[in-house]
Amino acid sequence: KAGVTQTPRYLIKTRGQQVTLSCSPISGHRSVSWYQQTPGQGLQFLFEYFSETQRNKGNFPGRFSGRQFSNSRSEMNVSTLELGDSALYLCASSLDPNSNQPQHFGDGTRLSIL
Amino acid sequence: SQQGEEDPQALSIQEGENATMNCSYKTSINNLQWYRQNSGRGLVHLILIRSNEREKHSGRLRVTLDTSKKSSSLLITASRAADTASYFCATFMDTGRRALTFGSGTRLQVQP
Repeated sequence: KAGVTQTPRYLIKTRGQQVTLSCSPISGHRSVSWYQQTPGQGLQFLFEYFSETQRNKGNFPGRFSGRQFSNSRSEMNVSTLELGDSALYLCASSLDPNSNQPQHFGDGTRLSIL
Repeated sequence: SQQGEEDPQALSIQEGENATMNCSYKTSINNLQWYRQNSGRGLVHLILIRSNEREKHSGRLRVTLDTSKKSSSLLITASRAADTASYFCATFMDTGRRALTFGSGTRLQVQP
């Protein structure tokens, strides 16, 4: 089985721009979660989608949004980028995190804001 | 905010030695998971222990869970240079937001 695929791997943007990141989960996985990793705050949960519905949301401003398509692929969007949005954005998929199932992570998209 | 803390923050050992990392958390959990992250890569799931389990083994890994103390430990036996990575514990709560909450991580360096 192919693993979780995130594109692009690296991205450079400037303040005020917007960005869209993509995640393809493992085949058969219907849950996709997004995390932000920074040196200062560590790993923080952004949101989780299951069957095209946002089921859980972390404590991030409304500039961070996401969606999930019928094939379980997910995108996250960040609008009006700020310097503090520079981070590694990780996507994880699982069969259903509401059970005792591990999450499988992609290698992330490293976003740099200039 | 993070669920808990891990200690030590950094650990340097020689190949062949054992490495022990500890994790503390704050609220009741459904399960606790350990992940490894190599530099610049995503997280790799190592082991999941449920709240009603006390100990679990997987190869050279041994995880313990003490729900009364809200703590867990990860033991890597006979470490190898390839074990060099950051290790994170993550808790999954059974109420409220159902998402992994990560600790701050332990950076392990195994010297060949």
